[in-house]
Amino acid sequence: GDSVTQMEGPVTLSEEAFLTINCTYTATGYPSLFWYVQYPGEGLQLLLKATKADDKGSNKGFEATYRKETTSFHLEKGSVQVSDSAVYFCALSVYGGSQGNLIFGKGTKLSVKP
Amino acid sequence: EPEVTQTPSHQVTQMGQEVILRCVPISNHLYFYWYRQILGQKVEFLVSFYNNEISEKSEIFDDQFSVERPDGSNFTLKIRSTKLEDSAMYFCASSEGQGRGNEKLFFGSGTQLSVL
Repeated sequence: GDSVTQMEGPVTLSEEAFLTINCTYTATGYPSLFWYVQYPGEGLQLLLKATKADDKGSNKGFEATYRKETTSFHLEKGSVQVSDSAVYFCALSVYGGSQGNLIFGKGTKLSVKP
Repeated sequence: EPEVTQTPSHQVTQMGQEVILRCVPISNHLYFYWYRQILGQKVEFLVSFYNNEISEKSEIFDDQFSVERPDGSNFTLKIRSTKLEDSAMYFCASSEGQGRGNEKLFFGSGTQLSVL
C-alpha cells in the first residue's frame, strides 16, 4: 500500500546549520507530497507541497523537490533558526484518492540550539 | 489566520467509558476529518465527513467510533467503550474543498486521550 518513510529523530542542530530531513514514499498512483510542521502546543500546519514530479515546494526558507526517480521529497533549509524547532511530518495524498486522506510519516523532531 | 479548535486538550478516562472529543472547524469549510497519532507511531487517518455523512473511513474506525456534526459549528468524535489502545493524540482537520492533492487541510492542536 501507499506509505511514507522519514528519517528517525530527534535531530539536534546549532543555529545556522544546514538541515536535511529525508523522506521517501511508496505510492501506486500519482501522489501529491507535503511537509507539515507542528510547533509546540499547536496543530499541524502545511509547510510546503509539490503536486507533480520535479516540482519544488518552498516556504519560510524550507525547500523540498519531488523526485519521482528516487521516490523522495527531502526537506532542506540552508540556515536553521531556534524558531524552527518543531516536529516535521512528511505526507502524501494520492491523486484521485480519498478526500483528505493524507498518509503521514512518523514525524521528525528538530531541536535547534542557539 | 482562522484556526480549528479542539477541546479538551487532554482527556483522561477509564477503560470502557465513553468519550467525546470536540472540534470546531473553520466556519466556511465543508469537509471535516479525524486523525490520530499513537505515541511513537505515524499519524493515521480515521474518517472524513461531508454533507452530514461519512465520506470515507479507515480500518481503525470500527463500530466503537462515530462522528457527528450536531449543530452548525461543532464536529465530534465519539468512542463508545474506550480501550487502552485508544490512547493517542487525536487531531481534527477541516478543508474548504475535497482535500485532494491541491487542497489545504487545517489541523487543530489535538486532544491527548489517555485511557487508564
